[in-house]
Amino acid sequence: EAGVTQSPTHLIKTRGQQVTLRCSPISGHTSVYWYQQALGLGLQFLLWYDEGEERNRGNFPPRFSGRQFPNYSSELNVNALELEDSALYLCASRRTSLGDWETQYFGPGTRLLVL
Amino acid sequence: QKEVEQNSGPLSVPEGAIASLNCTYSDRGSQSFFWYRQYSGKSPELIMSIYSNGDKEDGRFTAQLNKASQYVSLLIRDSQPSDSATYLCAVLKTSYDKVIFGPGTSLSVIP
Repeated sequence: EAGVTQSPTHLIKTRGQQVTLRCSPISGHTSVYWYQQALGLGLQFLLWYDEGEERNRGNFPPRFSGRQFPNYSSELNVNALELEDSALYLCASRRTSLGDWETQYFGPGTRLLVL
Repeated sequence: QKEVEQNSGPLSVPEGAIASLNCTYSDRGSQSFFWYRQYSGKSPELIMSIYSNGDKEDGRFTAQLNKASQYVSLLIRDSQPSDSATYLCAVLKTSYDKVIFGPGTSLSVIP
């Protein structure tokens, strides 16, 4: 069974630019979660999508947005990049929104550097 | 007060010793607790989950939960250099159906 995949693996952008990160969940998983892991700050919950709908979002500004496609893959968009957006962005998928949290598996992440 | 707090570390233990990792949480209504291991540059992987007060053992790992004290811990027996990683405590906020992660504790097992 293929795991969660993310692309790209690394990205360098400059302040003010926009970026799109992509995530493909494990086959059969409908829920996709996005987390930001900045240095020294731990994993911060960003967004949760399930069945194509945004179910919950963390304490992040509106320039962080995303969507989930009919095949359950997901995109995270970040507009007007700021230096503090430099972080590892992790995507995780879970079997269903009602499934056990043990079924949440993380992808390898996208490392974003904003200069 | 942060929702999930952990010893910042780094924690260093000699090979073969017991490593003890601690976590406290603020939401008294939390019911599900998880320990993840994250190697440097890698994504987190689930190693233990615990739901009831008491101990839960899985190989060299033992998770301990005390809901009255809002405290959860992870013991690693016979620590190995391969256990060197950051350990993340995570708590499920039932009311929001999302998992809140602690900042992590860095563990270094010295051969």
